[in-house]
Parts: sequence; structure tokens; C-alpha cells
Amino acid sequence: AQTVTQSQPEMSVQEAETVTLSCTYDTSESNYYLFWYKQPPSRQMILVIRQEAYKQQNATENRFSVNFQKAAKSFSLKISDSQLGDTAMYFCAFMKHPSQGGSEKLVFGKGTKLTVNP
Amino acid sequence: ETGVTQSPTHLIKTRGQQVTLRCSSQSGHNTVSWYQQALGQGPQFIFQYYREEENGRGNFPPRFSGLQFPNYSSELNVNALELDDSALYLCASSHLRAGGYTFGSGTRLTVV
Repeated sequence: AQTVTQSQPEMSVQEAETVTLSCTYDTSESNYYLFWYKQPPSRQMILVIRQEAYKQQNATENRFSVNFQKAAKSFSLKISDSQLGDTAMYFCAFMKHPSQGGSEKLVFGKGTKLTVNP
Repeated sequence: ETGVTQSPTHLIKTRGQQVTLRCSSQSGHNTVSWYQQALGQGPQFIFQYYREEENGRGNFPPRFSGLQFPNYSSELNVNALELDDSALYLCASSHLRAGGYTFGSGTRLTVV
């Protein structure tokens, strides 16, 4: 079974600064996806960024980038130029690649509450 | 694309009752999954439906059941409600093998 661990329950950062959220995972699968989701008070899970395990290049989406270390099973999220709207819960999630068969379920960590201060 | 919509947004039920939560998937998405998110926790996978058939189930008892309809809508039914069933229930849809999901805003269920 897969597990996802987020060791930082809460973090804070000043507006315009950079913050890194940590995530580690455990799996015996060779191919999979990793995700970061944002959940603001509106409750909707919003996809921030996705990484495919077989791709060595780290994914980036505007101010968001990841540091994917497959051997270490580490998947951290870096937010640059933090904005007040980035304040939310952030969840790291794992999903077995569809080519591996079985249901496509997401396994989530417990989340990190990020507060961006003005 | 119309997104994923869930109803109702909030619901209060009494222990022992039954509840039905509804989800309207994003147009064209043939896969829907349901998750339970307890307060302060990450979402937990309940089950997934693909083309109206169950396609995987998490560690939830049989009193949690679901349906998926040809019009991409789906239901989560919970019988014999328990206090621990109080949670946010999230619906997520996608195309199978798309490698990602679109989530709704959830239904907050409170069991008293």
C-alpha cells in the first residue's frame, strides 16, 4: 500500500517571499503520478501541479515548481513570489499510473496549512 | 466544460438515518470517485465508478454505496449513519487514464 507523509502541519511566509512544502511517499510501484492540490476555505481541491514519475524533469507551473527526487521518494513544492491568495491547505497526493491497472485512486497526505502574511 | 457540482452543500442528519449525496461530473468524464475528508485530515478514497460499474473501493463498509448514471451524474449513499461519518464528502471526475481529477466543492455532512 502507498503512503504519503507531509511533516509540516503549518507554515507561514511573508508576501513575495519563497516557501517550500515537503512531502515524502512510499510505494513499490515503478510508475505513478504525484500531485500537489490546494484547498482554500471554499473547500474545492484545486490541482496545483502534477509530476509523472518516469519524467526526470521537474514540473513547473508559473510560480509553482517541484523538486522530485525519485530515489529518495521525495516531492517538495516551491512557491515563489508568494501571494495572499496562496493561503490554503496544501495536499500532496500519489496515484498509481493507469498503465499499472486497478482503480485510479488518489492517496493523500494530511496536508500543510500555509498562511501568507502581508 | 461545466465543472463538477455537488449537492447539497451542507446537510445535518441524525444517527441511524440514511443520506444520499449527489454529484454532477464534468461533461464527458466517464470516471467518478468519492472521497471522505474528516476534519483536519486528507481525503480518503471511498470508491470509484467507471461507465456505471464500481472500479475500486477503499476501506469503507458496505453501508457506503454508490451509483453512476449515463448522464455523468452519480450518487453516494450512506446507510445507518454514525457520528464518525461526519465529514466533507468530495466528488472527483475524469476520463479514465487521464492522470488527474477535477474536484467538486464537497458536501459537509454532520451527523448528530
